[in-house]
Amino acid sequence: QVQLQESGPGLVKPSETLSLICTVSGASFSNSTYNWGWIRQPPGKGLEWIGSIYYSGTSNFNSSLKSRVTISVDTSKNQFSLKLSSVTAADTAVYYCARLRYDRLPDYWGQGTLVTVSS
Amino acid sequence: QSVLTQPPSVSAAPGQKVTISCSGSSSNIGNNYVSWYQQLPGTAPKLLIYDNYKRPSGIPDRFSGSKSGTSATLGITGLQTGDEADYYCGTWDTSLSAGVFGGGTKLTVL
Repeated sequence: QVQLQESGPGLVKPSETLSLICTVSGASFSNSTYNWGWIRQPPGKGLEWIGSIYYSGTSNFNSSLKSRVTISVDTSKNQFSLKLSSVTAADTAVYYCARLRYDRLPDYWGQGTLVTVSS
Repeated sequence: QSVLTQPPSVSAAPGQKVTISCSGSSSNIGNNYVSWYQQLPGTAPKLLIYDNYKRPSGIPDRFSGSKSGTSATLGITGLQTGDEADYYCGTWDTSLSAGVFGGGTKLTVL
């Protein structure tokens, strides 16, 4: 059974960098069938696709966030990570990591972690 | 403003059928597969439909998906109170080179 678990600080100050890690179990991280990605959901709002990464490092990003987002992968640890720089209150959201199918849409999701941007 | 358009809410009585629409364009739904997700209150979304109409293992056949042109539809028959949730459509947008979701539809089972 594929399982994903997000970890990282729940509170980030404005203008700082949000950093999250997703640990994957039950799946071969270097399986060429899948991408891995991040989706977020502001409180009371809908889903927003942030970006995806292939185990080789090839990535795609939401154009509205591209200048601030870094997604990287560590196959030796079965982990991938998200960094979002220069955060503001608008970046407050539940952040989900997910396994993405060939169409780069999620099939398995982590439970999500709430990140609040506040001083 | 979401790239894909869904009605904010739908409702129906237990045992009835409901459909949820998802409208897009040729750069997304028109030329790519659509997925549907169910998000129960306080939980992560769950995949209901992929490749327009396919159901993952464990998803009952009360849930169905279809696509025509630049629109997709999720159908739910035999509504149960446990189906009350937010439902999202999603697809790849070739022009944006990114995934996109609809704004979500809240299903109320009266």
